[in-house]
Formats: sequence, structure tokens, C-alpha cells
Amino acid sequence: DADVTQTPRNRITKTGKRIMLECSQTKGHDRMYWYRQDPGLGLRLIYYSFDVKDINKGEISDGYSVSRQAQAKFSLSLESAIPNQTALYFCATSTQGAGELFFGEGSRLTVL
Amino acid sequence: SQQGEEDPQALSIQEGENATMNCSYKTSINNLQWYRQNSGRGLVHLILIRSNEREKHSGRLRVTLDTSKKSSSLLITASRAADTASYFCATALIYNQGGKLIFGQGTELSVKP
Repeated sequence: DADVTQTPRNRITKTGKRIMLECSQTKGHDRMYWYRQDPGLGLRLIYYSFDVKDINKGEISDGYSVSRQAQAKFSLSLESAIPNQTALYFCATSTQGAGELFFGEGSRLTVL
Repeated sequence: SQQGEEDPQALSIQEGENATMNCSYKTSINNLQWYRQNSGRGLVHLILIRSNEREKHSGRLRVTLDTSKKSSSLLITASRAADTASYFCATALIYNQGGKLIFGQGTELSVKP
């Protein structure tokens, strides 16, 4: 089984809909991250969390919110999806700052 | 602008040849990491080089870091078709809270049999 699991893997939705992407991990890591990948732009950080009570904005947090329900779970929400949020979203974990990241397989979101 | 910029954006070589990818960055770093991504899949960590290191090896991978030039290179020797993927550098900034990683745009490597 994957150490970092993202659901759903693929989602097509319409403009204005609320969407939640979920991430769970079995690695026991405290730090969790949400990145967005667009062609030619690399990965950009949306939100990150160092523990259950700690949530921080990344480079591109506008239009997104997150919830750290437990050490192992970190969810990303789009309250009202728009087409330019169409992208590949990745959850990642790490044991320490500036350390190696462990990625999930990604959630491909299409907003029509 | 991007902290990490990679060059070339795309590289096509024959199996058995060496592949070299470069990464430049703008501000002081704690470390620099290289990741690999097969098409549409999650990224996989390859190697981490600290700011006080100049060269590091892992199997067929060789990474160099020149902090005076703010640049790094990833060399894959004796490439194989299975090395076809996108390769990303990621920098951990010294003064970046929590040591978050900033990713470059990536180099697409195609290795032809």
C-alpha cells in the first residue's frame, strides 16, 4: 500500500462547486504539504502544516483552504472551483524542515 | 520569478549517453534536492546535497553544487530508456520558515533505445 494516499485520483467538476481533495499518510510524519503542478510551471506550494495545530499559507493559497484532521490526514478544499484551478495536485510529507519530501500519486482536477 | 530555474527544458539523448541537467537559484540555500517524476505520477526523491557539500554520488547519479555561482547540476551516466522522466531541482532556503522547498520548472528527459 502507498505511504501517502490521495483521493480522488481524478475529478471533473463544474465552476462554482465545492471540492475536497484528501490526503492520508502512514509514514508517521508531522509535516504535510499541498502542492499544485501546472505544465511548465513546476510545483507551487499551496498550504503546509507542521502539526495538527499548525497551518501555514504557501505561495498560492488564495481560493483554497485546508484542514489537518489528524497527524495522518490533511485535506485541501476549493470552496468555489474555477477553471484556472484545473491542475494536478500533490500531497507530500516530511519528517523535518528542508528534508526529503514523500509524495502521493497526485489528484488530477478538471474544472469546467 | 522562480527561485530555481532549470536548463535545458527538454533533453533528448540515446541510450548509453550521459545526461546533464542544470539548476540555477537566486538566494542562499540550506540544501538543494533533485526529484524525478514519471509522466503524471508523484515525484520521487533522488538526492540531497547540502550547502557545504560540493559533490555527491548515488549510483549512476552525480550532483554538483557551486554556491558561489548559485547553481547545481545533475549528471545521469550511461542513461537507459527507463530514465525517461521529468527531473526537478528543489531548493530549501536558509531564511525560509520551516525550510519549505521551492521547485524549479523541470527538465524533460527522453532517452531513446
